[in-house]
Amino acid sequence: GENVEQHPSTLSVQEGDSAVIKCTYSDSASNYFPWYKQELGKGPQLIIDIRSNVGEKKDQRIAVTLNKTAKHFSLHITETQPEDSAVYFCAAISWGKLQFGAGTQVVVTP
Amino acid sequence: NAGVTQTPKFQVLKTGQSMTLQCAQDMNHEYMSWYRQDPGMGLRLIHYSVGAGITDQGEVPNGYNVSRSTTEDFPLRLLSAAPSQTSVYFCASSSLGQDRNEQFFGPGTRLTVL
Repeated sequence: GENVEQHPSTLSVQEGDSAVIKCTYSDSASNYFPWYKQELGKGPQLIIDIRSNVGEKKDQRIAVTLNKTAKHFSLHITETQPEDSAVYFCAAISWGKLQFGAGTQVVVTP
Repeated sequence: NAGVTQTPKFQVLKTGQSMTLQCAQDMNHEYMSWYRQDPGMGLRLIHYSVGAGITDQGEVPNGYNVSRSTTEDFPLRLLSAAPSQTSVYFCASSSLGQDRNEQFFGPGTRLTVL
């Protein structure tokens, strides 16, 4: 089955700086890669996703890149703000099921 | 729309007790699933359903049962709770088809088994 690895497990950034989270996957048939944000005490919420026929996608301060050859994809957050502090999960669809990475705790310090 | 709702929010059980975690969605989604979230392990799929009357196992199904009698509801049953089932449980739903992608998550149930 699919195996998704996510790094780093924790990330502390200064407000205004950029944050990058990286994920790798194992199943070359995976074709959909979402990113979820989970705030304390809440369920995960989709923030951006990318399909395998696209190399990059951007939504305001958030962007995701995908390298299918290398089987890795990354989340980029620019101009970080305190409200970006949360746990971020990457995921990949394999055989119709989402396989999640272990998560990255992002802390944005003023 | 209420989206995905889960009850209860918190639950404490003793080893061997049984209980049902409730999940309901009002988006007419065919696909529903249950995950457990443990520190450092992300979300792991327990069971899922692609429609009423159809269920299947995920990555960590042992100790859990599910049923899907209606499109809206997808309860998760713990028949004999064990301390290893202490976790946060999330229910999620999504539509089927080529664009079946975004999963909508409920707020979670925090379960402690003593």
